[in-house]
Amino acid sequence: RKEVEQDPGPFNVPEGATVAFNCTYSNSASQSFFWYRQDCRKEPKLLMSVYSSGNEDGRFTAQLNRASQYISLLIRDSKLSDSATYLCVVNIPPYKYIFGTGTRLKVLA
Amino acid sequence: DAGVTQSPTHLIKTRGQQVTLRCSPKSGHDTVSWYQQALGQGPQFIFQYYEEEERQRGNFPDRFSGHQFPNYSSELNVNALLLGDSALYLCASSLGASSGNTIYFGEGSWLTVV
Repeated sequence: RKEVEQDPGPFNVPEGATVAFNCTYSNSASQSFFWYRQDCRKEPKLLMSVYSSGNEDGRFTAQLNRASQYISLLIRDSKLSDSATYLCVVNIPPYKYIFGTGTRLKVLA
Repeated sequence: DAGVTQSPTHLIKTRGQQVTLRCSPKSGHDTVSWYQQALGQGPQFIFQYYEEEERQRGNFPDRFSGHQFPNYSSELNVNALLLGDSALYLCASSLGASSGNTIYFGEGSWLTVV
């Protein structure tokens, strides 16, 4: 079993749709969690950190469920510019960061 | 505020050769990590440097080695290159004394081994 698993997609959604991605992790010692966005042939960029209480940044909402060991990302009112690969990242103490393979999102006009 | 910078951006090497990639961390950061990203995969952790020492390593062979300098910049060296080493090599920096801090990536170095 992979340490961090994501559905690779692609998710093809129309503009304005709501889309949700899930990510599961296997190491219960995992401490910090993040979502990164990666555009084609570019570096990953931090989208948001994920906190136990859940957090929201504009159209983006992240949730963490430690008991079930999964992380989610919800994107509301999808824009064409949201088309990218979304990477789930888990920090395994002390210093290791494990990335999922990413979920590809394509928002269609 | 300078972000993470890497060089070279693209390079082509022949099997069996050696390569050195360079990274300067984001201003104020003291920790550098290196990742390998093959096409269609997520970045794979190679190792992390803090206070000029390797403090954690992923599942990569000894052909992959690194160094961190007193100014926090870093090098990744790969010896005896294989075709399978062709990938995007990403450097990430963070403020490193504690665990779980956010990491920031450079634009990467595209390595092609022929």
